[in-house]
Amino acid sequence: AQSVTQLGSHVSVSEGALVLLRCNYSSSVPPYLFWYVQYPNQGLQLLLKYTTGATLVKGINGFEAEFKKSETSFHLTKPSAHMSDAAEYFCAVSAAGNQFYFGTGTSLTVIP
Amino acid sequence: GAVVSQHPSRVICKSGTSVKIECRSLDFQATTMFWYRQFPKQSLMLMATSNEGSKATYEQGVEKDKFLINHASLTLSTLTVTSAHPEDSSFYICSARADRGNSPLHFGNGTRLTVT
Repeated sequence: AQSVTQLGSHVSVSEGALVLLRCNYSSSVPPYLFWYVQYPNQGLQLLLKYTTGATLVKGINGFEAEFKKSETSFHLTKPSAHMSDAAEYFCAVSAAGNQFYFGTGTSLTVIP
Repeated sequence: GAVVSQHPSRVICKSGTSVKIECRSLDFQATTMFWYRQFPKQSLMLMATSNEGSKATYEQGVEKDKFLINHASLTLSTLTVTSAHPEDSSFYICSARADRGNSPLHFGNGTRLTVT
């Protein structure tokens, strides 16, 4: 079975500061890991994904995430926050099957 | 690529009526589509999984007679909320994936349902 834990339901950063959103997963099989972003009243947009290969994954809008098996983590980072990054972020895990499991989400606020 | 179109984006209906929400994969064939419900400031709650040509699999606690799901083709799934009540008001989101491997979910833009 798989599960996802996102630490911190709310994160605030200053514009230009580092963004770090935490995600830990649990999986009995090699996981596929995803980060999604949701803007108000919209669906979810894929930011990046890890399946196999390089553990540092780069996504859209300057975001990246690193798969650390030893820590069962897949934290999302961005070197410099922009006002447009303010949104809800969801981490998700899937296995070689069908089911996706989402974390509870982290709301990112960017302070000007 | 990988666009999922969901309609309508907003709907207001009277209590007791039924509402149909469509979810289409525009540029890929979706073997599996998922329907989620999202309450304000909360994560997505999976309602059901539908595979083309077969009956949907509902999550525990989701009334299959109330939330009818049809996945008649590889590009279209519909969710019908039957005899809607105010407590059914919510944000409904569909998603689709092309295969069972490592492909990500692609999401529609959601439907805001308000039952008066």
